[in-house]
Amino acid sequence: NAGVMQNPRHLVRRRGQEARLRCSPMKGHSHVYWYRQLPEEGLKFMVYLQKENIIDESGMPKERFSAEFPKEGPSILRIQQVVRGDSAAYFCASSSDVVDEQYFGPGTRLTVT
Amino acid sequence: SQQGEEDPQALSIQEGENATMNCSYKTSINNLQWYRQNSGRGLVHLILIRSNEREKHSGRLRVTLDTSKKSSSLLITASRAADTASYFCATAPATALIFGKGTTLSVSS
Repeated sequence: NAGVMQNPRHLVRRRGQEARLRCSPMKGHSHVYWYRQLPEEGLKFMVYLQKENIIDESGMPKERFSAEFPKEGPSILRIQQVVRGDSAAYFCASSSDVVDEQYFGPGTRLTVT
Repeated sequence: SQQGEEDPQALSIQEGENATMNCSYKTSINNLQWYRQNSGRGLVHLILIRSNEREKHSGRLRVTLDTSKKSSSLLITASRAADTASYFCATAPATALIFGKGTTLSVSS
């Protein structure tokens, strides 16, 4: 049973470009969460999705960031017009139920130059 | 605002010793989870303790939860060099996990 998959593992973008981060949850998991980790910091919640629905996006910046979890395919975190401050590690997690353990992927490390 | 706060921020011990990390939180929770993160890597789920549980064991790990004090502790017994990592507690007041800044554990051989 494969764990949570994220790709790419490393992503370098110039300021103003778009970044697309992908997350495939564990088999059987329908709950997906995105977190961001800045250097030397803990993880900060961004958004919680179920298939085709955004349930909680209270941690997501209002501009330039969007997330989706389509009926088919991985969840996507999209950052438009990236800025240097977006450089961070972005982790995706999945769970089988909202009150169960969240299992994390290896993360995507975004560097904005 | 920070929900979970780990204490101490850093801990250095010798192999074979026990390591205890504490976590305090502010609001009521459904459960509390402990994770380990090796430098530059993803998070590994260690243990989940629900709000109606007081203690839980998993191998060399022992977690306690005191909801009246809004605190939890993680005990790693007979530590090994491979236990060197950052340890985070994460609380689940609702859907999202709220992480503290972590305790950095160094185990020297």
